[in-house]
Amino acid sequence: DQQVKQNSPSLSVQEGRISILNCDYTNSMFDYFLWYKKYPAEGPTFLISISSIKDKNEDGRFTVFLNKSAKHLSLHIVPSQPGDSAVYFCAASVNSGNTPLVFGKGTRLSVIA
Amino acid sequence: ETGVTQTPRHLVMGMTNKKSLKCEQHLGHNAMYWYKQSAKKPLELMFVYSLEERVENNSVPSRFSPECPNSSHLFLHLHTLQPEDSALYLCASSQEANRLVAGQFFGPGTRLTVL
Repeated sequence: DQQVKQNSPSLSVQEGRISILNCDYTNSMFDYFLWYKKYPAEGPTFLISISSIKDKNEDGRFTVFLNKSAKHLSLHIVPSQPGDSAVYFCAASVNSGNTPLVFGKGTRLSVIA
Repeated sequence: ETGVTQTPRHLVMGMTNKKSLKCEQHLGHNAMYWYKQSAKKPLELMFVYSLEERVENNSVPSRFSPECPNSSHLFLHLHTLQPEDSALYLCASSQEANRLVAGQFFGPGTRLTVL
């Protein structure tokens, strides 16, 4: 059973508008969450993270929101740019030091100029 | 070379072949990882090495054999693979203390096809 779910395999957004990528998780022990971005023929690159002691973390155009009661997090990209077109992976971990990341299947974002 | 590099980028092998995937990190990290990404599936962690010792093995079949000779190099030795092992194999590294804060740094992957 998948512990981290990204239920939208793809998303298309107009340039300049907001992109919202969603992620749900089932394991209540997860307390650290990360977003990765992957371009074709490249490995995933770290984008932004959030600890469960926070409900929001912002870095430039990227903001991650965490709703612990709903076991839901989202990544907001504002404004969206064509260069943001990529696959976005949500990942979660229990912050005990050696617990591996559990990844979702990814959402392919296409930003249309 | 900077970051995490993987060779080869593409590999086609028969089920009776023996091959090895190589990963090298130039970031001074002390933890390295092998992941498998199959089509339409999440990334699956295969192996974790911390300070050159294996600390995680998620019940990976023995036809996959990792080797970490030093903190900069990681190998995945392959033998008698099955067609269902065809996937993208990603290597990653991290500084153990920052493993979650900074995230793991990934290589570009090796696209493996088993015929």
